[in-house]
Amino acid sequence: AQSVTQPDIHITVSEGASLELRCNYSYGATPYLFWYVQSPGQGLQLLLKYFSGDTLVQGIKGFEAEFKRSQSSFNLRKPSVHWSDAAEYFCAVVTNNAGNMLTFGGGTRLMVKP
Amino acid sequence: DTEVTQTPKHLVMGMTNKKSLKCEQHMGHRAMYWYKQKAKKPPELMFVYSYEKLSINESVPSRFSPECPNSSLLNLHLHALQPEDSALYLCASSQGRNSYEQYFGPGTRLTVT
Repeated sequence: AQSVTQPDIHITVSEGASLELRCNYSYGATPYLFWYVQSPGQGLQLLLKYFSGDTLVQGIKGFEAEFKRSQSSFNLRKPSVHWSDAAEYFCAVVTNNAGNMLTFGGGTRLMVKP
Repeated sequence: DTEVTQTPKHLVMGMTNKKSLKCEQHMGHRAMYWYKQKAKKPPELMFVYSYEKLSINESVPSRFSPECPNSSLLNLHLHALQPEDSALYLCASSQGRNSYEQYFGPGTRLTVT
């Protein structure tokens, strides 16, 4: 079955430092992958997506992610973290042919130190 | 307009009450979703409507009853809920066929007493 794993439950970085959040997927074909961000008590906001083509995708808020088929990974990166980036981050993969079922990873909570 | 709206923001209900959650989008999307999210957990899919027809029901108890009156509206009717049903209920929408990204509303925080 298709699945996605986020190995890090919590990550703390200093403001201005670089960030990488890990996501590993299990899927036979080319996956459709997403990163979402959720602030406390809020809905999920789509940061970026990968369907095909260029393996380095740019998203909103200065985030990017790189698809690496050889490593079954889709890690999220940001060169310089701002305090407002503190939130929960979810990696997700489409898990049916109709494209309307998302499976989410367990999430990574990002804390930003001043 | 790229927004999914949900009302109410907060809802407290007793176990014998009947209430409804409402979701609306005006992006012309033809697929709409209900998710349940417990604290510190990822969202769990409950229902999917595609072109106003229920296409996926993830074995949700019958005390949750979805309704899609038209392509812009999605309701979730609640009856005889249990305290363990307390959660954040998220609505999402997507374009429909061959379009996979889902856009989420802010959620309704439900507390069952």
